[in-house]
Amino acid sequence: SQQGEEDPQALSIQEGENATMNCSYKTSINNLQWYRQNSGRGLVHLILIRSNEREKHSGRLRVTLDTSKKSSSLLITASRAADTASYFCATASAAGNKLTFGGGTRVLVKP
Amino acid sequence: DAGITQSPRHKVTETGTPVTLRCHQTENHRYMYWYRQDPGHGLRLIHYSYGVKDTDKGEVSDGYSVSRSKTEDFLLTLESATSSQTSVYFCAISESPSSVYGYTFGSGTRLTVV
Repeated sequence: SQQGEEDPQALSIQEGENATMNCSYKTSINNLQWYRQNSGRGLVHLILIRSNEREKHSGRLRVTLDTSKKSSSLLITASRAADTASYFCATASAAGNKLTFGGGTRVLVKP
Repeated sequence: DAGITQSPRHKVTETGTPVTLRCHQTENHRYMYWYRQDPGHGLRLIHYSYGVKDTDKGEVSDGYSVSRSKTEDFLLTLESATSSQTSVYFCAISESPSSVYGYTFGSGTRLTVV
């Protein structure tokens, strides 16, 4: 079973709009990470947020974490066509020795 | 991807044959992982390694074995390939499980079992 579940499964937006996707998980975590996957490629690490952090920023990315609700969100601001990809959340267990991935959100940014 | 290569990139094999996939890294990272990716399932962990000769099972390890005799190489073997093992296999590396840099993934091996 998947630890992380992303919502929505698919998202279509216009270039310049913001894209928001959510991730829920079930058990206690050490950290939560977000990855991007372009079609036919490997995953690329975007950002990591630790369990004692509530918000992190990296460029146009903003990640929040609510451990009381066991949920996280990824916001991509001012989206570009190049942001078209699948986005995955992944949780690291309390032991922190492996990541469990969710099913991903497919994002399409239309020019 | 920089520092990690998977071979082969594509393979077609027959049911019942053994298959070995190779992951090679040049980063000297301690941790290495094998995942499979299937539609509707995201990525699922098969096996991982936390050092030379130190490996452990993931959530979908049945039918797979691994070996790590050197820091740089992590081999995944399908002992007797089945059609349900048709998938895209990804190797990943990390210097520590909680590294701020996360995992670095290879480009994947697309395996088809006929």
